[in-house]
Amino acid sequence: AQTVTQSQPEMSVQEAETVTLSCTYDTSESDYYLFWYKQPPSRQMILVIRQEAYKQQNATENRFSVNFQKAAKSFSLKISDSQLGDAAMYFCAYRTTYNNNDMRFGAGTRLTVKP
Amino acid sequence: GAGVSQTPSNKVTEKGKYVELRCDPISGHTALYWYRQSLGQGPEFLIYFQGTGAADDSGLPNDRFFAVRPEGSVSTLKIQRTERGDSAVYLCASSLTLRGQGQNEQFFGPGTRLTVL
Repeated sequence: AQTVTQSQPEMSVQEAETVTLSCTYDTSESDYYLFWYKQPPSRQMILVIRQEAYKQQNATENRFSVNFQKAAKSFSLKISDSQLGDAAMYFCAYRTTYNNNDMRFGAGTRLTVKP
Repeated sequence: GAGVSQTPSNKVTEKGKYVELRCDPISGHTALYWYRQSLGQGPEFLIYFQGTGAADDSGLPNDRFFAVRPEGSVSTLKIQRTERGDSAVYLCASSLTLRGQGQNEQFFGPGTRLTVL
């Protein structure tokens, strides 16, 4: 079974600095999708960034980028120029390509941004 | 509104009572998902609908949990004989189901926080 591990329950970063959130996963599949979701206090999960396993190039979305290491089964999220609005819970998630509903989430990392 | 909506936002009930949680997906989204998020955890899959039918209900913890989507749009998650351990945030998500595309994004609602006293 696929599992997703986020080893950092909490992280903090100074405003305008860079922070990296870690995620590892376990799977026997060769093709799959990886996601980072942001969950602010409003509880609504917001997709931050998505990576397709067959693509070697790391995904980027403005200030958000990932470091995808397929062999190491690692998928970290880097937030550059951190802003106060980035403060939230961040969840890493895995999904197979053949089963759209089988999404597995990690336990989350709470990010605090200090002014 | 254009997003997924869920009602109520918060629900407090007593142990043993019956509750219904409602999800309004994004118009046109054929796929609908329910998740349960316990305190300090990530969401856990409960059930998935494709249209009106439950395509995968393997995540439902026991037979006290049931969900319907009679017209292929709004869905209701029903919990009978609630227990304190059912306390959690229940999230709903919807997505398109486009043939040949495996990366249909799931759009989440704000969830219903259920508290069983």
